[in-house]
Amino acid sequence: AQSVTQLGSHVSVSEGALVLLRCNYSSSVPPYLFWYVQYPNQGLQLLLKYTSAATLVKGINGFEAEFKKSETSFHLTKPSAHMSDAAEYFCAVSPSGGGADGLTFGKGTHLIIQP
Amino acid sequence: DAGITQSPRHKVTETGTPVTLRCHQTENHRYMYWYRQDPGHGLRLIHYSYGVKDTDKGEVSDGYSVSRSKTEDFLLTLESATSSQTSVYFCAISEGTGVSTDTQYFGPGTRLTVL
Repeated sequence: AQSVTQLGSHVSVSEGALVLLRCNYSSSVPPYLFWYVQYPNQGLQLLLKYTSAATLVKGINGFEAEFKKSETSFHLTKPSAHMSDAAEYFCAVSPSGGGADGLTFGKGTHLIIQP
Repeated sequence: DAGITQSPRHKVTETGTPVTLRCHQTENHRYMYWYRQDPGHGLRLIHYSYGVKDTDKGEVSDGYSVSRSKTEDFLLTLESATSSQTSVYFCAISEGTGVSTDTQYFGPGTRLTVL
């Protein structure tokens, strides 16, 4: 069984500051890990995914995440926040590469960007 | 964007009435999924399909049924809607190859309100 814990339902940062969104997972098999972003009244868009090829994964819009097996973590970061980054972010885990048997999501983190 | 449409996009109905939501894809992907999104819960898998007439239950399948008679269409039915089924419903698709190149793509969502 898999589970995902996202620490902090709301995170507020100033424009230009570092963005750090935390995700810890639990999985009985080597996991595939994903970060999705949801803008208001829209569906989910894939930011990046970890597939065991590299522990540091680069995604779209300047985001990246690092897989740390020892810490069972997959935190999302961006060096400099932009107002357009304000959205809901979801971490997800799957035992199979593309989630053929479905993704297990965290509860989400709402990212607020202060001007 | 992946070719996924959901209909209707918004629906208000009364307790006890049947409701059917439709997901249509133009990508010829094998796997299709239905999730529901609720505040504080993230997204949870309701049902998924791994081919025409092949479906399986997800985490929160009680009160829901699905059908897939064509590759491109996946229907979600609430036989007798209840207020607890008020939610935003998302359809997703994936090629289902189970390898690292596979990804789930999400539709725009259907907001359902059960009065």
